[in-house]
Amino acid sequence: QVQLVQSGAEMKKPGASVKISCRTSGYTFAHYTIHWVRQAPGQKLEWMGWLNAGNLNTKFSQNFKGRVTFTRDTSASTVSMELSSLTSGDTAMYYCAREGGYNIDYWGQGTLVTVSS
Amino acid sequence: QSALTQPRSVSGSPGQSVTISCTGASSDVGGYNYVSWYQQYPGKAPKLMIYDVSKRPSGVPDRFSGSKSGSTASLTISGLQAEDEADYYCCSYAGEYTWVFGGGTKLTVL
Repeated sequence: QVQLVQSGAEMKKPGASVKISCRTSGYTFAHYTIHWVRQAPGQKLEWMGWLNAGNLNTKFSQNFKGRVTFTRDTSASTVSMELSSLTSGDTAMYYCAREGGYNIDYWGQGTLVTVSS
Repeated sequence: QSALTQPRSVSGSPGQSVTISCTGASSDVGGYNYVSWYQQYPGKAPKLMIYDVSKRPSGVPDRFSGSKSGSTASLTISGLQAEDEADYYCCSYAGEYTWVFGGGTKLTVL
């Protein structure tokens, strides 16, 4: 079965960076795109961007352009997301999710990132 | 891009039907048949309930149905059950390989 397992919760200081990993299984890694979505406490889902695990193409939401980087490790079927220049406004649950034909289908369990001085 | 517009809350009694709307624009909901709906319980990851406007993934009860008219998509839940109480989010492909989510709707089963 398709599974996406994310790394554990992170606590960071303002100005720092955070890197979250998303280990996938149950499907052919290079055939799918992984999206990143975040959700601030009590708030809505916010689309951040995607990485095509096969050809390394990426697309970022304008809200995060210049601050977010996506990488992949094919040998580990893992995609990672790094967000820099953190502020308290970046405190949120971050999700990776697989795209199946223009629809986001399977989701990771989420990684809580807390930004506080 | 702006978030899709959903009602903040809806409610219904067990056995009744409720419909949640998701209003966008011709650049997203109105322009593509790639609208999906997600159910999210508190503290949990979203779960896909509807994709491609009206298709149900395997395992999703047929009480859940989706439709679209113009730039407004809708999720209808018939035969409401207590377990349906959750937050629901719509999502649409918005062109140029971007996606946009709705603001979310809290469903209360009375």
